[in-house]
Amino acid sequence: DSGVTQTPKHLITATGQRVTLRCSPRSGDLSVYWYQQSLDQGLQFLIQYYNGEERAKGNILERFSAQQFPDLHSELNLSSLELGDSALYFCASSVRGQGAGDEQFFGPGTRLTVL
Amino acid sequence: GENVEQHPSTLSVQEGDSAVIKCTYSDSASNYFPWYKQELGKRPQLIIDIRSNVGEKKDQRIAVTLNKTAKHFSLHITETQPEDSAVYFCAASSTGGGNKLTFGTGTQLKVEL
Repeated sequence: DSGVTQTPKHLITATGQRVTLRCSPRSGDLSVYWYQQSLDQGLQFLIQYYNGEERAKGNILERFSAQQFPDLHSELNLSSLELGDSALYFCASSVRGQGAGDEQFFGPGTRLTVL
Repeated sequence: GENVEQHPSTLSVQEGDSAVIKCTYSDSASNYFPWYKQELGKRPQLIIDIRSNVGEKKDQRIAVTLNKTAKHFSLHITETQPEDSAVYFCAASSTGGGNKLTFGTGTQLKVEL
């Protein structure tokens, strides 16, 4: 157990819908990262928050957004869902967020299926 | 941006043999190189990492080497066991732009009895 929690574990929804994925980082970690893992794209970085502020952005679609709250938990919002959005979504956390390389600890993931 | 290439995509070894997975990166500013092991449907788990000021690091049966000049790093697993079977990912990150990880495409390691 990494100490990072994610809910829900599984999510099945229809095209065009909107969903929210939730992540709680390890105690003491200030940074939260979101990654998408699909069969054809591998593990792709989406976005990072550090202490409530956006720190880095990857190839995140405009239909996706995220935020980090004062208690440091984070939510990833996916809207106008398409079949291709079906994937495993991982959240990771680390103590800092930049510098000499922080260890990132991954949560169990949320498996999203869009039908 | 950073690009990480990983080879081979699949690797099959006999129990007790060694396994080597290689990665190359493109961004000379990258300074942190972790390796993750992922079992089917599970989260990636950090197994070893190396920073750019170190050339080699070892932890029991696992070792990682880094060649900054050539921009490549490798994972070495000795005395492989069936429980080593999994997908292994290399990754790279740099000091600037947060701490995001750019992952390789993964290596499916199968350790056969």
